[in-house]
Amino acid sequence: GNSVTQMEGPVTLSEEAFLTINCTYTATGYPSLFWYVQYPGEGLQLLLKATKADDKGSNKGFEATYRKETTSFHLEKGSVQVSDSAVYFCALTPGTGGFKTIFGAGTRLFVKA
Amino acid sequence: IAGITQAPTSQILAAGRRMTLRCTQDMRHNAMYWYRQDLGLGLRLIHYSNTAGTTGKGEVPDGYSVSRANTDDFPLTLASAVPSQTSVYFCASSDDRFPNEQYFGPGTRLTVT
Repeated sequence: GNSVTQMEGPVTLSEEAFLTINCTYTATGYPSLFWYVQYPGEGLQLLLKATKADDKGSNKGFEATYRKETTSFHLEKGSVQVSDSAVYFCALTPGTGGFKTIFGAGTRLFVKA
Repeated sequence: IAGITQAPTSQILAAGRRMTLRCTQDMRHNAMYWYRQDLGLGLRLIHYSNTAGTTGKGEVPDGYSVSRANTDDFPLTLASAVPSQTSVYFCASSDDRFPNEQYFGPGTRLTVT
């Protein structure tokens, strides 16, 4: 079946540190991949996406590359800020039709000043 | 109204009581979804609707029902609440042009005692 696995949190970093949040997936066909972000007390917001192998999604300094050979979609940012503190969800929609989204468990990020 | 609104923001409910969580969107999106968010489990799809007048079951539909009388509203009903339904509930919608990108409401925190 389809599934998403993320690294467990929380991840605690100092401001300006490099961020990596690992995400791997299992899917039939050619899924689309997403990262959503949830700030405290809010709903999820789409952060970035990639729809085919080797695509790189980017937004607000965050990047993730769709790696079919390793079935991964790791989230990276070169220099985090306190305002990046949030929960990050990796997600996929199967390539076999339909648009049900499968979410990972989420990774909480704390950034210290 | 801008985007998706949910009501109530939070609720404490006695077990066995009936409860309807409200969701309204003003983006004219055809597809709408209800998720529950539980620690360590991410988001799980309860029910969805591809368009007004149609609904479908998600991953965890038992104990919940939905209706979609029009495009804007997608209420979720718990007929007889149980403590295991204590969770944060998110409503979401998506545009047919970009069905894989979902917009989320701010959530309803429900506690069943």
